[in-house]
Amino acid sequence: SQQGEEDPQALSIQEGENATMNCSYKTSINNLQWYRQNSGRGLVHLILIRSNEREKHSGRLRVTLDTSKKSSSLLITASRAADTASYFCATDRVGTYKYIFGTGTRLKVLA
Amino acid sequence: GAVVSQHPSRVICKSGTSVKIECRSLDFQATTMFWYRQFPKQSLMLMATSNEGSKATYEQGVEKDKFLINHASLTLSTLTVTSAHPEDSSFYICSATGTSGSRGQFFGPGTRLTVL
Repeated sequence: SQQGEEDPQALSIQEGENATMNCSYKTSINNLQWYRQNSGRGLVHLILIRSNEREKHSGRLRVTLDTSKKSSSLLITASRAADTASYFCATDRVGTYKYIFGTGTRLKVLA
Repeated sequence: GAVVSQHPSRVICKSGTSVKIECRSLDFQATTMFWYRQFPKQSLMLMATSNEGSKATYEQGVEKDKFLINHASLTLSTLTVTSAHPEDSSFYICSATGTSGSRGQFFGPGTRLTVL
């Protein structure tokens, strides 16, 4: 399977704590994106990081990319109950615009 | 940001019928559109890639005669689930990318298909 993997599969934390999710992929990529999905809903785009970038920030989100290890991490700082959702990484292989999704991390933030 | 819409958002049909799902890019020209399927509590699985004016490219294991894709214009792609069965019940999501592709993909809100 070309699908990337994310860990942990599920994560439960207290409000105010930080949440870290990791994504590993298999091929050389152009870009990696992180998405959030609330139960039964569509995808919400969080961050796009290009293959020549190593770190990117957006509000409480911090994404890192290590192309040598083919891995990325998403850090959510000072989590809130509203951050409860599934988080997916998606990568596009060099030479294509086709995005392949990771297996996802289900985050639960307890109030 | 770019907007992609899907219609319908939800559809319930009887087994054996065909269902058409539309995916539209509202404010940009989508040279390439993608169709994904997502089963409950699972990730999105890419079904096919469609380029305007040419035949869709299907991922391994996806039946092209079962899932008909048409990308007749730069703003519209359709997915038709033919002779739907209960196992086809799923969340179908489309995405679109513009001429450069470097902006990433823009996803539609999804269509929930329930086959009785």
